[in-house]
Amino acid sequence: ETGVTQTPRHLVMGMTNKKSLKCEQHLGHNAMYWYKQSAKKPLELMFVYSLEERVENNSVPSRFSPECPNSSHLFLHLHTLQPEDSALYLCASSSNTGTAEQFFGPGTRLTVL
Amino acid sequence: RKEVEQDPGPFNVPEGATVAFNCTYSNSASQSFFWYRQDCRKEPKLLMSVYSSGNEDGRFTAQLNRASQYISLLIRDSKLSDSATYLCVVTLSGSARQLTFGSGTQLTVLP
Repeated sequence: ETGVTQTPRHLVMGMTNKKSLKCEQHLGHNAMYWYKQSAKKPLELMFVYSLEERVENNSVPSRFSPECPNSSHLFLHLHTLQPEDSALYLCASSSNTGTAEQFFGPGTRLTVL
Repeated sequence: RKEVEQDPGPFNVPEGATVAFNCTYSNSASQSFFWYRQDCRKEPKLLMSVYSSGNEDGRFTAQLNRASQYISLLIRDSKLSDSATYLCVVTLSGSARQLTFGSGTQLTVLP
């Protein structure tokens, strides 16, 4: 087991809804990540948090809003999403040293109607 | 041009076969290289890092050619359990946490 959990595992929402994805890591890591995986496309890095500070933000639309209250928890707040936002959202964590291995959670399968 | 390019496959091979995957990357400043494995409907997991001198882990051998910006993965004596998508991953110098993924190569090992 990777020690990274995500909830919910599946989410269906309308374009006017507001929802949040949750990630928790039990590995003692201090860097956390959100990725988007769409069909037939490579994983896209969305956000990186290191020591609870956002260190990278890859031009993600403002309808996605991350929050990292502590080193074990990461949220992705969603509002007014579009159907093209339907994808698998993966959380990952790593230690903060060098090119440390990233451990992924099982992902949340999001469908926007 | 994609930053990390892989042949999507699918590769369908019989058990016991040897199969090779290739990957090219566009940024010559790429610093670190990895192969991840992603099973169907599962999360990616690190298979192995790739070093300039080449490295081997059991039936798996990874090679890196910096001059050609090319990475390879060789799987010998394929097992049914090797069926998965293999993701080529690179990082840039100075941005060790930012992994850039290829689209993956799908492998099915047939009985």
